[in-house]
Amino acid sequence: AQRVTQPEKLLSVFKGAPVELKCNYSYSGSPELFWYVQYSRQRLQLLLRHISRESIKGFTADLNKGETSFHLKKPFAQEEDSAMYYCALRGISGNTPLVFGKGTRLSVIA
Amino acid sequence: GAVVSQHPSRVICKSGTSVKIECRSLDFQATTMFWYRQFPKQSLMLMATSNEGSKATYEQGVEKDKFLINHASLTLSTLTVTSAHPEDSSFYICSARPTGGIRNEQFFGPGTRLTVL
Repeated sequence: AQRVTQPEKLLSVFKGAPVELKCNYSYSGSPELFWYVQYSRQRLQLLLRHISRESIKGFTADLNKGETSFHLKKPFAQEEDSAMYYCALRGISGNTPLVFGKGTRLSVIA
Repeated sequence: GAVVSQHPSRVICKSGTSVKIECRSLDFQATTMFWYRQFPKQSLMLMATSNEGSKATYEQGVEKDKFLINHASLTLSTLTVTSAHPEDSSFYICSARPTGGIRNEQFFGPGTRLTVL
């Protein structure tokens, strides 16, 4: 069975502090992992995907197959990073849909 | 960039009526669209995969006769909630994947908030 677990519902950090949003997954096979972000009153949008190995808005995420994790990190949080963050996975083959974790609300305090 | 629209953005209806929600890909074609449901402060739960020209694939526990999906063209999928009841009140979000897209990315609509009285 495929499952995405985000253990924290809410994460509050001070501006300038490091951020780590945790994501663990279970999947029988090789999944694609994603982080999506939803800012207040906006639609869900892609933040980054593991195969791109890129840094978006200062965020990075490394896929750790041994620990089945895909934690999202940023060294210095900004107020504009406050949002809901969803970890998601999808099978590589075919038209498989995204499966989402429950999300973590990040609140950056000035 | 790829844009997905939904109409209406908000709908309030009486119990027992049917409600149709449209999902359109505005600047790309989408053979496959997805319908999600989101309860307050909860995650997106996949309801069904909508395939152009064929029957939708429903997730376990989702009643296909309750949630009718029609994907009649490469830019439009509709979700009809039949005989709606208060427990159907939720936020419905569609997502579309560009046909032949290199990155296989899913783009999301803004969602439709359904309130059944």
